[in-house]
Amino acid sequence: LAKTTQPISMDSYEGQEVNITCSHNNIATNDYITWYQQFPSQGPRFIIQGYKTKVTNEVASLFIPADRKSSTLSLPRVSLSDTAVYYCLVGQALYNQGGKLIFGQGTELSVKP
Amino acid sequence: EAQVTQNPRYLITVTGKKLTVTCSQNMNHEYMSWYRQDPGLGLRQIYYSMNVEVTDKGDVPEGYKVSRKEKRNFPLILESPSPNQTSLYFCASSLGLAGNTDTQYFGPGTRLTVL
Repeated sequence: LAKTTQPISMDSYEGQEVNITCSHNNIATNDYITWYQQFPSQGPRFIIQGYKTKVTNEVASLFIPADRKSSTLSLPRVSLSDTAVYYCLVGQALYNQGGKLIFGQGTELSVKP
Repeated sequence: EAQVTQNPRYLITVTGKKLTVTCSQNMNHEYMSWYRQDPGLGLRQIYYSMNVEVTDKGDVPEGYKVSRKEKRNFPLILESPSPNQTSLYFCASSLGLAGNTDTQYFGPGTRLTVL
C-alpha cells in the first residue's frame, strides 16, 4: 500500500476554488488514486478516482502529474456545505492487494462565509 | 435502494457486557470491512473480509471479533468491551473483484460508548 501525505487542515471562503494535494511518492504502477469526502458523523463517500492526467465529474476534478507521485483534488467555488474531511487513498483493486485499506487522518476543510 | 445498514446507531453499555453491531449490505458485494474513528486518529481499519468465511485483521483488531457466514452480513462483536473501545464505528462494502477499482460504500455509523 502506498503511503500518502496530505495537509491536516485547510481553510477557505465561500466561492473560492480549493486545491488539496496528496503526496504518494511510492505509488506503484497498478495503483490508482481515490478521494473520499466525509461530513461530520457520517460515513465517507466516494467523490472521484483517477489513474493519470485529469479526471472531472460533477463534484470535483482530480489532477495527476505524469510522475504520479502526487495528486490534487480541486473543488470549484466551494460552499459552506463542502466543509468536510477529505481522504486520499492509493492502491490497487482490493482483490489484488489483499484487502487492507488505509484512510489516514485526511484533510479537514473548513469553508467560511 | 443500494445501501449499507448498521444497527444499532447508538449504544451505551458497560465494561464487560458482550455486544454485537450488525452490518448488512444489499449490493451483493464480496468485500466488507469495519473501521473505527477517533478524534485526531482518522479512520482505522479493524477487520475486513474478502468473501464468505474469509476474514483478516486490519490495523486495530485487538478486542474485536467478526464473522462472515453470509455474503450480505458482517457483524462486529465485542466480547468484553472496555472504555477504550468508545468510538464511532463504520461498516463498508465494495465489489472486491479482480480488476475492479473498489469504491467503498459506507454505512451511517454506530456511536458506541462503553462506561
